[in-house]
Amino acid sequence: GESVGLHLPTLSVQEGDNSIINCAYSNSASDYFIWYKQESGKGPQFIIDIRSNMDKRQGQRVTVLLNKTVKHLSLQIAATQPGDSAVYFCAEDNTDKLIFGTGTRLQVFP
Amino acid sequence: DGGITQSPKYLFRKEGQNVTLSCEQNLNHDAMYWYRQDPGQGLRLIYYSQIVNDFQKGDIAEGYSVSREKKESFPLTVTSAQKNPTAFYLCASSITGGSSYGYTFGSGTRLTVV
Repeated sequence: GESVGLHLPTLSVQEGDNSIINCAYSNSASDYFIWYKQESGKGPQFIIDIRSNMDKRQGQRVTVLLNKTVKHLSLQIAATQPGDSAVYFCAEDNTDKLIFGTGTRLQVFP
Repeated sequence: DGGITQSPKYLFRKEGQNVTLSCEQNLNHDAMYWYRQDPGQGLRLIYYSQIVNDFQKGDIAEGYSVSREKKESFPLTVTSAQKNPTAFYLCASSITGGSSYGYTFGSGTRLTVV
C-alpha cells in the first residue's frame, strides 16, 4: 500500500550542528511534499515544501531534498538551535488529501 | 489576522457522553480536515470536507461525526461509540480540496475521558 515513513524516530544533535531528517515515500505518483514542525502541545507548522519537478529547495536555515529515483525526502536544518527541538513530519499529496509520516523527534542538546 | 481556531483547548468527557469540538477558519479555505494524534504517534485522518455540505470519512471515522453547514466551520462530535477518545485532536484547512497547497493547522484540542 501507499505509505510515508521515517527512518529515525528520534534524532539527537548538538546545538550548532546540522540536522538531517529523512523520509521515505512509496507513491511514485506523488508530486508535492511538505515538511511540518510540531512543538509539544501545539499544531503542526509548515516549514517548507517541494514539488516533484524540483530536487532541492532552500528556505531560511532549512533545505529539502527530493530524490525521486529512490523515493526519498530529507530535511536539512543548518546550525541547529534549541528552538528547533520538536517533532518533524513529512507529508505527501494523495490527490485529495495529504498523507503524513509518523514523525521524527529532534532533540537539541547544548 | 487570518487563521484557524480550535476550541476548547482542553476538554473533559465522562463515559457515555457526546462532546463537540469546534473548528473555525477565516482563511476562505474550501477544504477542512480533522486528525487524531495519540502520544508519540503521527496524524490519523478522521473526516474531511472539500466543500460545504459535503464530507468524507477518513481512516478512523468510527465513533465520530461531522457537519459542514458553513464554509468557515467544521465541528467534530466525538460520540459515546468511540471507545478510546482520549487524544489530541487537530483541525486543518486548505485552499482547495486538492492537497497540493498544504494545510494550515489549528492549535489543537486535548480531549480526556474522566
